[in-house]
Amino acid sequence: EVQLVQSGAEVKKPGESLKISCKGSGYSFTSYWIGWVRQMPGKGLEWMGIIYPGDSDTRYSPSFQGQVTISADKSISTAYLQWSSLKASDTAMYYCARWDIVQFFFDYWGQGTLVTVSS
Amino acid sequence: SYELTQPPSVSVSPGQTASITCSGDKLGDKYACWYQQKPGQSPVLVIYQDSKRPSGIPERFSGSNSGNTATLTISGTQAMDEADYYCQAWDSSLYVFGTGTKVTVL
Repeated sequence: EVQLVQSGAEVKKPGESLKISCKGSGYSFTSYWIGWVRQMPGKGLEWMGIIYPGDSDTRYSPSFQGQVTISADKSISTAYLQWSSLKASDTAMYYCARWDIVQFFFDYWGQGTLVTVSS
Repeated sequence: SYELTQPPSVSVSPGQTASITCSGDKLGDKYACWYQQKPGQSPVLVIYQDSKRPSGIPERFSGSNSGNTATLTISGTQAMDEADYYCQAWDSSLYVFGTGTKVTVL
């Protein structure tokens, strides 16, 4: 069974750093792109970026380029999303999702990680 | 950058048909898919490659895509279909989501 399991909710202060994770299982982790999606409170889905764990090829949405870093450790089948200096506006639910490169959709989604940034 | 626009809300009576549009430049030249998201849950794919239904998705969900508009149609809408719906398309390494539509079953 394909699963993407994300790390737990985080509460941070502005200016702090953070790295959240997404662990894949039940499939060949290195053969599928993993994307990250932001959903701010009461708002829609926004694609942030995507990584191919096989060779760490990474693409970013122009809106998020330079704001976050996406990485992966294929040895433990885990993708990461990190911030070096959080802002209150980073408060959101963050989802990871697996991209089907042949049929062009995100087929499996993680449960989401809620990040709250508040002083 | 590429943008996909959806109506903010659609209301439908139980048993009736709901249609949700998704507009983007030459969207018909790309594959569109649709996700359903209920409160507190992760999105779930309901239509892919314009009109295909994943296993487990009821037949009342259908899709089309032509010109600049993709459409998700829910026939015989049920109360359980009340949710937010998002279209998505892939364009030049950009994985764009639509603005989202809240479907209310009155």
